Amino acid sequence: QVTLKESGPALVKPTQTLTLTCTFSGFSFSTSGMRINWIRQVPGKALEWLARIDWDDDKSYSKSLKTRLTISKDTSKNQVVLTMTNMDPVDTATYFCARETTVTLAFDSWGQGILVTVSS
Amino acid sequence: DIQMTQSPSSLSASIGDRVAITCRASQSIGNYLNWYQRKPGKAPELLIYYGSHLQTGVPPRFSGSGSGTDFTLTISRLQAEDFAIYYCQQSHSYPFTFGPGTQVHIK
Repeated sequence: QVTLKESGPALVKPTQTLTLTCTFSGFSFSTSGMRINWIRQVPGKALEWLARIDWDDDKSYSKSLKTRLTISKDTSKNQVVLTMTNMDPVDTATYFCARETTVTLAFDSWGQGILVTVSS
Repeated sequence: DIQMTQSPSSLSASIGDRVAITCRASQSIGNYLNWYQRKPGKAPELLIYYGSHLQTGVPPRFSGSGSGTDFTLTISRLQAEDFAIYYCQQSHSYPFTFGPGTQVHIK
């Protein structure tokens, strides 16, 4: 059974750096075609794709947030980490990690999400 | 970026109704269109990928059709557990983008 779970702070202050961890199980991230994505949803707005990392460490970022995002993986720990710098109240959102495969090009398993509030 | 729109933004339907939700892309995306269901407090769940392929475990009352710029998600006979928000998403090119969602209410 594939599971993913996000962890990190529920509250960050403006200008701080947010670090979120996605811990997964039920599949090997070393398998060709595996990808882990980060997606967020600001309350009342559409889902927004943020970043992706592939089994071979290839990475892709949202153009609008590229300068603030870093995605990395620790395959031995079954974890993917997303950092977002210079947090602002408009970044208040539920952040999800989701698995994608190059076979379906769809997010076939999602974490439960973590609500991050940016406030002083 | 490819913009995705959905219609209607919300609809009311009864158990047993046939429901159709449309999604339009701002440019041709072939069949690279996925559909998700989201219930309150839960993560989205993949229903349909690559336009019309039913994800494993999803009931066959859900179906997807379309190609190019216009797509439809159809629920053949609405069940109580289908009241949720439905999102389309294109996987043709990065950044992957989502539609704004269609909320399905109980009539």
